[in-house]
Amino acid sequence: AQSVAQPEDQVNVAEGNPLTVKCTYSVSGNPYLFWYVQYPNRGLQFLLKYITGDNLVKGSYGFEAEFNKSQTSFHLKKPSALVSDSALYFCAVRDWSGYALNFGKGTSLLVTP
Amino acid sequence: DSGVTQTPKHLITATGQRVTLRCSPRSGDLSVYWYQQSLDQGLQFLIQYYNGEERAKGNILERFSAQQFPDLHSELNLSSLELGDSALYFCASSVDMGPYEQYFGPGTRLTVT
Repeated sequence: AQSVAQPEDQVNVAEGNPLTVKCTYSVSGNPYLFWYVQYPNRGLQFLLKYITGDNLVKGSYGFEAEFNKSQTSFHLKKPSALVSDSALYFCAVRDWSGYALNFGKGTSLLVTP
Repeated sequence: DSGVTQTPKHLITATGQRVTLRCSPRSGDLSVYWYQQSLDQGLQFLIQYYNGEERAKGNILERFSAQQFPDLHSELNLSSLELGDSALYFCASSVDMGPYEQYFGPGTRLTVT
């Protein structure tokens, strides 16, 4: 089965510093990878996806992610964190049995002023 | 606003009861997915419909069922409710099957007492 792992429950970063939220994947074949963000009491918002092509994917709100096939990773990054980026971030991979997403357990990002 | 609507926002009911959650996908989206989010299980895929037909099943209990109607809205029916069914239930939609991002509704918070 296609799966992703988010090794960190929480990431803390100071405002203005770069941030990285980690994700590794385990798939058979080529992965379709996604990042979503969830603010309190809200649904998930799509940030970006990797299907094929450039290993650096740019998404919404200044976020980007780097696909690394040799390390089976798809880390989310942002050059300069904002306090408003504080939220729960989910990495996901498309399941080959259908088109549903298999999510990681989520990483809570806290950006402090 | 993702364009996906879900009703009701909150639902409180007793064990043994049956409830129906409703979802309207984004205009033009043919595929609807249901997910359950709980603290212990995380985000889990339940079931997918495409243009009225069931396409994939995930970790959906036999007490749960869903359908997608000709106008593409979908309903998730939960019966013989147990305390452990308390969770946030999300509906998501995508334009088609394939490596398309899914857009999530705000969710229905179900509390079983």
